[in-house]
Amino acid sequence: DQQVKQNSPSLSVQEGRISILNCDYTNSMFDYFLWYKKYPAEGPTFLISISSIKDKNEDGRFTVFLNKSAKHLSLHIVPSQPGDSAVYFCAARSYSGNTPLVFGKGTRLSVIA
Amino acid sequence: KAGVTQTPRYLIKTRGQQVTLSCSPISGHRSVSWYQQTPGQGLQFLFEYFSETQRNKGNFPGRFSGRQFSNSRSEMNVSTLELGDSALYLCASSRDPGSNQPQHFGDGTRLSIL
Repeated sequence: DQQVKQNSPSLSVQEGRISILNCDYTNSMFDYFLWYKKYPAEGPTFLISISSIKDKNEDGRFTVFLNKSAKHLSLHIVPSQPGDSAVYFCAARSYSGNTPLVFGKGTRLSVIA
Repeated sequence: KAGVTQTPRYLIKTRGQQVTLSCSPISGHRSVSWYQQTPGQGLQFLFEYFSETQRNKGNFPGRFSGRQFSNSRSEMNVSTLELGDSALYLCASSRDPGSNQPQHFGDGTRLSIL
């Protein structure tokens, strides 16, 4: 039972354009959502998070949108840069329900110069 | 500020052996979690420790065990290794499990079973 789903295994985007990575979840108890970026041979690096009391959070070129009714979140990267090429993981947890962090299987983003 | 440190980085074992992996969290972080990453499977949760107590456990067999010490350092042990245990094992730390703070990851231990 996959509680966090990233349905696109890969995505290619031109440099300078917007990258949109999507994530769906099934557990309505999830109240904290995060995005991580992972380069080969390195551990995941925290990018941005959002609490369920918000529907948008921005940090520089990265914006996360949360649609609780649809149980969907997305990560927007604008403008995309070649250094953004990596695997992006969506993760979620429920603090009130004391659940561990649950990860999606990741989306490989390739930014083409 | 030093990040999460995992040792060793690479390990080769044979079937039936056991292995111990080590994780030193970021200074001041008291919560440590372990994950297994295999190709195409994302990160699968193994355990979460806080104040030397296991708070959560993932759906892994009893061959996988862990512990946390009073200085928040953590170890995980896998006994009777199987070929399917070949994976990247990642450790992550955070200040405490009750806060909305992200977990920060080490670079992992790559375990290969021959």
